[in-house]
Amino acid sequence: EVQLVESGGGLVQPGGSLRLSCTASGFTFSNYWMNWVRQAPGKGLEWVGKINQDGSKKYYVDSVKGRFTISRDNARNSLYLQMNNLRAEDTAVYYCVTVLEGWWGQGTLVTVSS
Amino acid sequence: DIQMTQSPSSLSASVGDRVTITCRASQGIRNDLGWYQQKPGKAPKRLIYAASSLQSGVPSRFSGSGSGTEFTLTISSLQPEDFATYYCLQYNNYLTFGQGTRLEIK
Repeated sequence: EVQLVESGGGLVQPGGSLRLSCTASGFTFSNYWMNWVRQAPGKGLEWVGKINQDGSKKYYVDSVKGRFTISRDNARNSLYLQMNNLRAEDTAVYYCVTVLEGWWGQGTLVTVSS
Repeated sequence: DIQMTQSPSSLSASVGDRVTITCRASQGIRNDLGWYQQKPGKAPKRLIYAASSLQSGVPSRFSGSGSGTEFTLTISSLQPEDFATYYCLQYNNYLTFGQGTRLEIK
């Protein structure tokens, strides 16, 4: 059974940092592009960024460029999202996703507030 | 960047009704489009991929059509469990979601 399990969310002050993790199981993680998608409370879905299979290619939505970094560790079947200089508008549930297969984690909530 | 315009933003319907949701892409995306259903507090669930392919395990009352810039999701006969929010997602060039359609009980 395919599973994607996010962790690392929580409450952080504006300007702070947080690192999210996503642990994959049930499939060959190293074969897949991985994405982060977020959803602000009561709002729609927004793609955050993606990383290719070996981590050599990364792409981000403009609103997080220079602040967020996606990485992966294929030996640990893990995907990461390092979030720096967080803003109130980054408050959201963050999901890790494989698009072509349609696999989603359950999400982890990040709240940026003083 | 590719923009996705989804309509309507909300829809009231009754059990047994046939409903259609539309997404328009700002440029051609071939058939690189999926449809998702989301219920409160849950992750989105994919219903349709490649514009018209039914995800395994999804009831056949759900169908998708279209190619290029115009796409539709049709639910042929609404069931109580179908009341939810629906999103389209283009994956031709990065990812872009539609704004969502909230399907409510009339």
